[in-house]
Amino acid sequence: DAKTTQPPSMDCAEGRAANLPCNHSTISGNEYVYWYRQIHSQGPQYIIHGLKNNETNEMASLIITEDRKSSTLILPHATLRDTAVYYCIVRGYGGSQGNLIFGKGTKLSVKP
Amino acid sequence: DVKVTQSSRYLVKRTGEKVFLECVQDMDHENMFWYRQDPGLGLRLIYFSYDVKMKEKGDIPEGYSVSREKKERFSLILESASTNQTSMYLCASSLSFGSRGGYTFGSGTRLTVV
Repeated sequence: DAKTTQPPSMDCAEGRAANLPCNHSTISGNEYVYWYRQIHSQGPQYIIHGLKNNETNEMASLIITEDRKSSTLILPHATLRDTAVYYCIVRGYGGSQGNLIFGKGTKLSVKP
Repeated sequence: DVKVTQSSRYLVKRTGEKVFLECVQDMDHENMFWYRQDPGLGLRLIYFSYDVKMKEKGDIPEGYSVSREKKERFSLILESASTNQTSMYLCASSLSFGSRGGYTFGSGTRLTVV
């Protein structure tokens, strides 16, 4: 079973921030939170990952709550090209713990 | 720009044929993976490999085999294709299980078995 819970869909206006939530209440101490997205008919694309501190890169920011039971991916200025399915994944390390287990994700629709 | 390249974007095969899906990565990654993606079921792991000539079963290995003779190449083999193997197949690679980096995915092969 997937270890994360995400809303099935969200809308966002172009130019506004998109905030995508993820619940991972059973995360263990050595598991990282990863975010990927998949634009229609393409392979998934890595966005960002974190353990417990907030992270930022050129694509997005990741905010992880202090208890690590939930996180939010922030796209600061969403564009139409950000329309995609966004997957939140928790991942451990070593052997099969390193495998990515994809849930159903959140379908983000950015509207003009 | 680093890449995972899948040999075919679209493929149509007949029931019972032996099918080879090829994947090549140019990043010197240790790990390689094959997933299939179906509507409503998400991505499911078929097989993975953490080293040359090494392979491990994923969640749905039945009807598939793999080959990794060289570090950069990971092949998925459908021994006798069936219509329920019609799907999008995605290859991915990652540096190592000990690294914190993400996976890099190919663009996918959409296989139709008729």
